[in-house]
Amino acid sequence: SQQGEEDPQALSIQEGENATMNCSYKTSINNLQWYRQNSGRGLVHLILIRSNEREKHSGRLRVTLDTSKKSSSLLITASRAADTASYFCATDALNKAAGNKLTFGGGTRVLVKP
Amino acid sequence: NAGVTQTPKFQVLKTGQSMTLQCAQDMNHNSMYWYRQDPGMGLRLIYYSASEGTTDKGEVPNGYNVSRLNKREFSLRLESAAPSQTSVYFCASTLGTGLRNQPQHFGDGTRLSIL
Repeated sequence: SQQGEEDPQALSIQEGENATMNCSYKTSINNLQWYRQNSGRGLVHLILIRSNEREKHSGRLRVTLDTSKKSSSLLITASRAADTASYFCATDALNKAAGNKLTFGGGTRVLVKP
Repeated sequence: NAGVTQTPKFQVLKTGQSMTLQCAQDMNHNSMYWYRQDPGMGLRLIYYSASEGTTDKGEVPNGYNVSRLNKREFSLRLESAAPSQTSVYFCASTLGTGLRNQPQHFGDGTRLSIL
């Protein structure tokens, strides 16, 4: 079973536009992380937001977290062709026994057209 | 600065054959993980090692075994490969040792096909 569910599953935008994707999860979390995966490559960590944070920025990335709704969003501003990739959210459960195990969503495939 | 290195990158097996996927990290991380990724899906945890000398099952451990050889290396073994194990396998590591809020670092994967 997957903790995170992402929406939309796929997104196609023009270069320069913003891309927004959402992640919903089921259980209480310690933090939520976003990763990028380029075709044929491993995942690359983008940003981590803790459960007591509501918004976080990193360059052109903006992540929000609403723990009451158990949801998060990732916004990529002024997208570039190089942003074409799959984006995954992953949750680190609050349960201490879970350690640093992450549970991944199914991902959003983003295509940025030049 | 290699990060997480996985070998081999590609492998084709016949049903019933065995093989070991290798993973090594050079970041002095304590925790290591094995995931599988099936087409169009996210990653599912197979096994993990919170620290050297310990291993635990993840979400989909059946048909797999692991060995934490030392702090750097964490291998995944398929004893009798089945077509359902055709997948892309990723190894990851993180600092761990009770520290939370740490990102995971991933290798580039092993693409495994079982005929």
